[in-house]
Amino acid sequence: DSGVTQTPKHLITATGQRVTLRCSPRSGDLSVYWYQQSLDQGLQFLIQYYNGEERAKGNILERFSAQQFPDLHSELNLSSLELGDSALYFCASSADSGGAGREQFFGPGTRLTVL
Amino acid sequence: AQTVTQSQPEMSVQEAETVTLSCTYDTSESDYYLFWYKQPPSRQMILVIRQEAYKQQNATENRFSVNFQKAAKSFSLKISDSQLGDAAMYFCAYRHNDMRFGAGTRLTVKP
Repeated sequence: DSGVTQTPKHLITATGQRVTLRCSPRSGDLSVYWYQQSLDQGLQFLIQYYNGEERAKGNILERFSAQQFPDLHSELNLSSLELGDSALYFCASSADSGGAGREQFFGPGTRLTVL
Repeated sequence: AQTVTQSQPEMSVQEAETVTLSCTYDTSESDYYLFWYKQPPSRQMILVIRQEAYKQQNATENRFSVNFQKAAKSFSLKISDSQLGDAAMYFCAYRHNDMRFGAGTRLTVKP
């Protein structure tokens, strides 16, 4: 158990819909990262938040947005969903703000299926 | 842009034998970190080993060790005395600011 929690574990929805994925980092970690893993693919970095502020952006679509709240939990919002958005979405947390070698601890992921 | 390449989509090893997974990366930075993560069928991402680029000594964690060649930008993972529980996808990752992952190598362990 990494200490990072993600809800829900599974999500099935239809094209055009909007969903929210939730992540709670490990106690004490200030950074939250979001990744997308499509079937049999590597992880694609989407976005990082550090202590409530956006820190780094990767390959995140404009239809996707995220935020980190004062209690440090984070939400990833996916809108106007398309079939290709079906993937495993990971949240990870670390104690550092980025650029350092601190390990990222991964949550169990949320599997999103868009029908 | 930093890229991470894992040239072996699949590898197979006999139980108790040794296997080496390859990883190369491209960067213009001198200070960075490299990681190997394991993803078993549960899909949980588990850190296997970490290497700081400024350290010349190769990292070791029990049966897992790396061969870090900074000039060649190579970072291979050696698994000794392979066990059935080592079967998983293995991802090489590079971090300067954000983390970049390779496409992964699927390791099969034969009894």
